[in-house]
Amino acid sequence: SAVISQKPSRDICQRGTSLTIQCQVDSQVTMMFWYRQQPGQSLTLIATANQGSEATYESGFVIDKFPISRPNLTFSTLTVSNMSPEDSSIYLCSAASSQNTGELFFGEGSRLTVL
Amino acid sequence: AQSVTQLDSQVPVFEEAPVELRCNYSSSVSVYLFWYVQYPNQGLQLLLKYLSGSTLVESINGFEAEFNKSQTSFHLRKPSVHISDTAEYFCAVRGFSGGYNKLIFGAGTRLAVHP
Repeated sequence: SAVISQKPSRDICQRGTSLTIQCQVDSQVTMMFWYRQQPGQSLTLIATANQGSEATYESGFVIDKFPISRPNLTFSTLTVSNMSPEDSSIYLCSAASSQNTGELFFGEGSRLTVL
Repeated sequence: AQSVTQLDSQVPVFEEAPVELRCNYSSSVSVYLFWYVQYPNQGLQLLLKYLSGSTLVESINGFEAEFNKSQTSFHLRKPSVHISDTAEYFCAVRGFSGGYNKLIFGAGTRLAVHP
């Protein structure tokens, strides 16, 4: 298994600002992902964080709004840019130890509130 | 593509009663199936998973789920629930057909255990 730490755990942000969320895994992992969980809803995949190259975004998510970095096998960041109240969500980092088998491990999430 | 349907958004139950949380999936390829649990204000934890082999899988805290390929279901059951089982439960599916296949979540079922 993998232990995933996210910072910040929560934050209150002003409209129009940007916030970067950090994700640290305690072991090298093959795949890292970012999910969004809007209030009272399920998880939606934002993007796959690829080491050393641009992230792969899901439909409805774009790099300008959610830039992602993954400089190595244990660390990734997600930035939520030019925030609006609609971006108020829990953002979760997850990781998988192999490409296609097994489960994803999740961090405890970063709860963002945009005023 | 895969999809997941959790048939009940909320399931209220009394302590020590049995419970079943229903999950159906659709996929054109073989799948891995998972149940995750999210306790209030926490991240997601893997409860149990089906990858291959025995269609009945169990967790350490008394939950079990059975993979039924003909009915495309993966219902979660527990013969006697505790107050501490109160949480949100997410069914998830991951297809495998070469390359990476993302994890798709259902909408979630809120289990509320009452004394």
